[in-house]
Amino acid sequence: NAGVTQTPKFQVLKTGQSMTLQCAQDMNHEYMSWYRQDPGMGLRLIHYSVGAGITDQGEVPNGYNVSRSTTEDFPLRLLSAAPSQTSVYFCASSYTRERSPLHFGNGTRLTVT
Amino acid sequence: KQEVTQIPAALSVPEGENLVLNCSFTDSAIYNLQWFRQDPGKGLTSLLLIQSSQREQTSGRLNASLDKSSGRSTLYIAASQPGDSATYLCAVSFIQGAQKLVFGQGTRLTINP
Repeated sequence: NAGVTQTPKFQVLKTGQSMTLQCAQDMNHEYMSWYRQDPGMGLRLIHYSVGAGITDQGEVPNGYNVSRSTTEDFPLRLLSAAPSQTSVYFCASSYTRERSPLHFGNGTRLTVT
Repeated sequence: KQEVTQIPAALSVPEGENLVLNCSFTDSAIYNLQWFRQDPGKGLTSLLLIQSSQREQTSGRLNASLDKSSGRSTLYIAASQPGDSATYLCAVSFIQGAQKLVFGQGTRLTINP
């Protein structure tokens, strides 16, 4: 049981490049989400999903896309990277949104130059 | 706007002391409150989850309490150890806008040997 797995751990992009951050969980969780963590800003929700085929926007969705084709995977796509997207990105999952503890991956540290 | 506040931002105590971390929130209509631990460069680990109908939860040397009416939660750590050094975050699942957790900024705890 690996929990929530994020890849890559580190990434450097140039402005304008695109990339996909991968997230997979093996706990059969319905709810999955992406956060970014920035100094002084705390954790902010980017996008979330309550099940395969269902996604919705969080607090800071601009510049990011998501899809949920399977229960296990929830990739985050950066369409055209900007320096403001330099951050640490966390994927998290839980059985249900309201009643279950949230399990986090170890994060992806992204730098956009 | 729903907010979660943690005070103090940082705390340093000698080993062996019992200590209390505080979390306050602006709306008593919540599903639950979670306490997390974050080690440097790592993801968040869920410590305790208190449902809105509960008053407290215990796990080993940790005890979390919840007072919805006053919008407060405390995390009590007994007999602190250097290994408890980490950042502790609380997160509240509000009923309005229930698809996201609102995180506090965290308390950075240092236990001195």
